[in-house]
Amino acid sequence: SQTIHQWPATLVQPVGSPLSLECTVEGTSNPNLYWYRQAAGRGLQLLFYSVGIGQISSEVPQNLSASRPQDRQFILSSKKLLLSDSGFYLCAWSVNPGYTFGSGTRLTVV
Amino acid sequence: GENVEQHPSTLSVQEGDSAVIKCTYSDSASNYFPWYKQELGKRPQLIIDIRSNVGEKKDQRIAVTLNKTAKHFSLHITETQPEDSAVYFCAASEGGFKTIFGAGTRLFVKA
Repeated sequence: SQTIHQWPATLVQPVGSPLSLECTVEGTSNPNLYWYRQAAGRGLQLLFYSVGIGQISSEVPQNLSASRPQDRQFILSSKKLLLSDSGFYLCAWSVNPGYTFGSGTRLTVV
Repeated sequence: GENVEQHPSTLSVQEGDSAVIKCTYSDSASNYFPWYKQELGKRPQLIIDIRSNVGEKKDQRIAVTLNKTAKHFSLHITETQPEDSAVYFCAASEGGFKTIFGAGTRLFVKA
């Protein structure tokens, strides 16, 4: 069966520090992978998506970047966090169609 | 690009009553419309979906309707229970790719 792993679950980081969130999927090949952010009490904003290794598309200009070094690995990064980067970050994958979300990372930038 | 509007943002119903959440989309190429339920602090989970070649789909107490001409779709929950309390998101995509979500509806079911 397919599973998706996302870590860490919670993170508190100071402004200006770097960020690395990791997501891996198991039990599927060549999935579409996505990073979403959910601000407190708000909807889901698509940040990045990837259709294959090394292929990253950005949906909104921001302080974040994404990489896909392996077929089943998707990484969200930042060199210097801003207060506005706080939120609930969700990785998701889809084969066709419908999403399965990871358990999320709650990031607080202080 | 696709834009999805969702209403209402908050909905409070008495246990046993029905709840209806409505969404509209802008991109006529969208052909897949899932609904997700997110309980507090947890990940969204798919509860029902509908494709553009179907007008209605039902799964026990949950049903979704789609009007392609008007570009709107709705979630209907009948005989609501306290455990239905959550945030519900509608979404639209072309074939499940690059799904765009509505802003969410917070549903409260009062016992």
